[in-house]
Amino acid sequence: KAGVTQTPRYLIKTRGQQVTLSCSPISGHRSVSWYQQTPGQGLQFLFEYFSETQRNKGNFPGRFSGRQFSNSRSEMNVSTLELGDSALYLCASSLAPVEGTEAFFGQGTRLTVV
Amino acid sequence: GESVGLHLPTLSVQEGDNSIINCAYSNSASDYFIWYKQESGKGPQFIIDIRSNMDKRQGQRVTVLLNKTVKHLSLQIAATQPGDSAVYFCAESMEYGNKLVFGAGTILRVKS
Repeated sequence: KAGVTQTPRYLIKTRGQQVTLSCSPISGHRSVSWYQQTPGQGLQFLFEYFSETQRNKGNFPGRFSGRQFSNSRSEMNVSTLELGDSALYLCASSLAPVEGTEAFFGQGTRLTVV
Repeated sequence: GESVGLHLPTLSVQEGDNSIINCAYSNSASDYFIWYKQESGKGPQFIIDIRSNMDKRQGQRVTVLLNKTVKHLSLQIAATQPGDSAVYFCAESMEYGNKLVFGAGTILRVKS
């Protein structure tokens, strides 16, 4: 079956703009988590969604937001982009938000802010 | 942020040798741990997991060891192959759900 699909793969934006990233989970998976990966900070948890509800949130400013649709697809939005937002944004899907449920990652969206 | 990824240590091994990658985790209350492999241009890929009620778990060519006393996790790869070259991350599951806290990562280079 198809894996986790993230679009777009690459994105270049200007400071101050906003961006929306999309994640389609594996069919049947209802939990979606988002992570930011940078060389300086490594992999950091952004938020997790299940049944269209945010279940958990990491330590990121309010400029970072997300949502989940009834078909489990998720989007994350970053407003007022800063240079430091340049990163690989990864989405992971799992069957449910239960500890111990294997999370499958997509290939990520590489965001560059100039 | 909660995860600190700064200077990645590098482990270089000869093809066919065994590799041991170490990780120190932060929260003694964590009860689920996972090892991920990330190849260039790809997302992290699940390798093996272990719950805190276990000390050791074996998979195909991989073994994870958990020492809760010193909050230490290790990944052993037997007969390391060139295809094992990647960055390896440990992660701990904290709180309800799938919030993972990742370690900094270790680069594994396999020499042929």
